[in-house]
Amino acid sequence: AQTVTQSQPEMSVQEAETVTLSCTYDTSESDYYLFWYKQPPSRQMILVIRQEAYKQQNATENRFSVNFQKAAKSFSLKISDSQLGDAAMYFCAGTTGNQFYFGTGTSLTVIP
Amino acid sequence: NAGVTQTPKFQVLKTGQSMTLQCAQDMNHEYMSWYRQDPGMGLRLIHYSVGAGITDQGEVPNGYNVSRSTTEDFPLRLLSAAPSQTSVYFCASSYLWGEGQPQHFGDGTRLSIL
Repeated sequence: AQTVTQSQPEMSVQEAETVTLSCTYDTSESDYYLFWYKQPPSRQMILVIRQEAYKQQNATENRFSVNFQKAAKSFSLKISDSQLGDAAMYFCAGTTGNQFYFGTGTSLTVIP
Repeated sequence: NAGVTQTPKFQVLKTGQSMTLQCAQDMNHEYMSWYRQDPGMGLRLIHYSVGAGITDQGEVPNGYNVSRSTTEDFPLRLLSAAPSQTSVYFCASSYLWGEGQPQHFGDGTRLSIL
């Protein structure tokens, strides 16, 4: 089994600034994958970024990047040049075997 | 591409009623799953399937049944609805489970049990 913890229920950021969302996880497996999903008010679940645990290089997708600290079991999401459209609930998730485990989410507000 | 299609989008039931939430995907994905989303609790896995004819329980399976007779469809059944089952339900699918493929989600079903 795996647990995923997001300790920041709410965050805010000024438009064009950078914000980092925290996530920690716990697993006994050596082979696993980590994800960040975005859920805007429309309720859709949108994949933001994916990280393979065996890769040391941090994943990057345009303005989104992760800081993957395997030893610390930390997987934070950095959003650069924040835009109004980034306002959403963000979920950290992990998978080993056949099940996905989600954190409780961080609600991000972008201030114009 | 339709992706993952869930029906209905909204439903109100009375306690004790039964109903089926439909989920279909047109991406030939092997893996399909159902989640419920409750405030402050993230998404929790109800049931999942790694292929036609194969289903298994997730974290919160009680009160729900599933079947997988085809690759495309994965319905979720509530046999006797209870107020505790009021939630938003998401169906998801992915390729090649076990290789960390991201899940594709439907738009969700908001279910209220009175």
